[in-house]
Amino acid sequence: KQEVTQIPAALSVPEGENLVLNCSFTDSAIYNLQWFRQDPGKGLTSLLLIQSSQREQTSGRLNASLDKSSGRSTLYIAASQPGDSATYLCAVMDSSYKLIFGSGTRLLVRP
Amino acid sequence: NAGVTQTPKFRVLKTGQSMTLLCAQDMNHEYMYWYRQDPGMGLRLIHYSVGEGTTAKGEVPDGYNVSRLKKQNFLLGLESAAPSQTSVYFCASSYFEGSEQFFGPGTRLTVL
Repeated sequence: KQEVTQIPAALSVPEGENLVLNCSFTDSAIYNLQWFRQDPGKGLTSLLLIQSSQREQTSGRLNASLDKSSGRSTLYIAASQPGDSATYLCAVMDSSYKLIFGSGTRLLVRP
Repeated sequence: NAGVTQTPKFRVLKTGQSMTLLCAQDMNHEYMYWYRQDPGMGLRLIHYSVGEGTTAKGEVPDGYNVSRLKKQNFLLGLESAAPSQTSVYFCASSYFEGSEQFFGPGTRLTVL
């Protein structure tokens, strides 16, 4: 059974710092991997989607990498801002096209 | 385009009451999904639909029923609510089974 783990559960950094969020999964037979942002009391916003054949995707200050063989993905946020404060969720789509979510990393960027 | 919308946003039920959550999407997506999110946990799939008139069970289907009578709507029903069903419910849709899923804003349900 696919399991997705996100470490750390919470992270607090000063504004301007570059940071990395980690996601690991137990079964490398994935279709794709998505990173989402969730603001308190709100829905999920898709940030980046990496197909299983890809190694990374970039959008603005965000860069997501995927290493299927080691079962890892990272989300890199450059020059963090207080507006980046949110919970970041990683989800892998398994071979039956079901999304399996991690429990998230709660990020606080201090001004 | 409104994307994915959910009704209601909040609801409080007493144990044993029934209710229906409505999800609507205007993107002409074939696939629709219902998830629940509990504190400290990721989202878990309750039921999903691969097209109008179809439904299928996800990871945690017990205590819930669904219907997809129209392509744009996906209903989640609780026949006899239990405190264990207190959660935030999210609906999502996608164009096809392996494509990006788009999520609604969620419904916060409390069962007393």
